[in-house]
Amino acid sequence: DGGITQSPKYLFRKEGQNVTLSCEQNLNHDAMYWYRQDPGQGLRLIYYSQIVNDFQKGDIAEGYSVSREKKESFPLTVTSAQKNPTAFYLCASSISGGGGKPQHFGDGTRLSIL
Amino acid sequence: KQEVTQIPAALSVPEGENLVLNCSFTDSAIYNLQWFRQDPGKGLTSLLLIQSSQREQTSGRLNASLDKSSGRSTLYIAASQPGDSATYLCAVKRETSGSRLTFGEGTQLTVNP
Repeated sequence: DGGITQSPKYLFRKEGQNVTLSCEQNLNHDAMYWYRQDPGQGLRLIYYSQIVNDFQKGDIAEGYSVSREKKESFPLTVTSAQKNPTAFYLCASSISGGGGKPQHFGDGTRLSIL
Repeated sequence: KQEVTQIPAALSVPEGENLVLNCSFTDSAIYNLQWFRQDPGKGLTSLLLIQSSQREQTSGRLNASLDKSSGRSTLYIAASQPGDSATYLCAVKRETSGSRLTFGEGTQLTVNP
């Protein structure tokens, strides 16, 4: 079945450590997105990519980095500069960046500080 | 800056009741509005997407309406069931924001048997 796979489901970070969250999709979607969700809050956009080898900052990009070397993959690195990384991270994709097509979501990665 | 608000934050109803969830947005220049369902610890599932030129969309027991000029959308759930218990989020796509969505904080729904 087509879908979006995020891994790992749970991740723990030590102080000063960079960690990478994986997002893979087999939907043949051009656009991919990373969101952060804090308890009782909506989703906030971290980074998005509308095409391979191109990506843009969202509303809360500081302390995060991404790459888009393949259409299927959009990994997110949470760097040591992100001082409050504990959150639920969601990856999404859509057919194209524009237009009225819905975004499809993975099951998320929960990141905690050790 | 677009802001999206959902009221109420939480709602508890007995099984079988019809209910309405509300979503309001401050900038009426939207491209579309999407309703999602989120189960605990899970990602989001798209329920309904309404284009700015549409007034409503229906899927089974769900009906979403859009009043763009007043900045409001409602999600109507008929004959609620315990399996409907989840958090419901709305998100708007602005005309000028490309692919970016702005989300509300969600309404946590509990349907009691």
